[in-house]
Amino acid sequence: GAGVSQSPRYKVAKRGQDVALRCDPISGHVSLFWYQQALGQGPEFLTYFQNEAQLDKSGLPSDRFFAERPEGSVSTLKIQRTQQEDSAVYLCASSLSVPGNLYGYTFGSGTRLTVV
Amino acid sequence: AQKVTQAQTEISVVEKEDVTLDCVYETRDTTYYLFWYKQPPSGELVFLIRRNSFDEQNEISGRYSWNFQKSTSSFNFTITASQVVDSAVYFCALSEASSAAGNKLTFGGGTRVLVKP
Repeated sequence: GAGVSQSPRYKVAKRGQDVALRCDPISGHVSLFWYQQALGQGPEFLTYFQNEAQLDKSGLPSDRFFAERPEGSVSTLKIQRTQQEDSAVYLCASSLSVPGNLYGYTFGSGTRLTVV
Repeated sequence: AQKVTQAQTEISVVEKEDVTLDCVYETRDTTYYLFWYKQPPSGELVFLIRRNSFDEQNEISGRYSWNFQKSTSSFNFTITASQVVDSAVYFCALSEASSAAGNKLTFGGGTRVLVKP
């Protein structure tokens, strides 16, 4: 596609519910990143994929967070047993190159998750 | 560890005024990249500029200009003759070339710019 597509755009979850957030990167982009942006703050790194390999998951805040990219294209970020502190915008970014900064990063519009 | 600091949380100006956004970074790498992104109310991050650590030339793009000073670890951004459409949150970000994580971005806290007509 022309850009990075994320769905759903908004998600309201009851505390304890599992959620799945989807990212559809630009076709052919090797690198894929997930970031978490709390209200009023800058995005923070969660995890990085190079094709289907998850090379860095050091930013995932707990073992309730899980990400996958099984075929090296679409990625899903799953949050189990959501808690209020998980409320944030989840941003996906992709890049043509490895390393990602050679050609820059394209961000999606994000999924705003609200846990009630 | 890498760190980016944007000391100004919010700047309010009247249209046509100039506004300068400060960015100070910390890194141990000698090779790194600096970025500025704009985040309008719609939420997406819009790329503005990428600069590598070996290129200290200042850059101008229309009403936007950037001042990179390695000696003070700063990468400041100026909007000349601001317009209402410039109202957004602006983020400075750093990417280290040696990072195993595909050169993940470390963002500052952002500066909200409000341009009043």
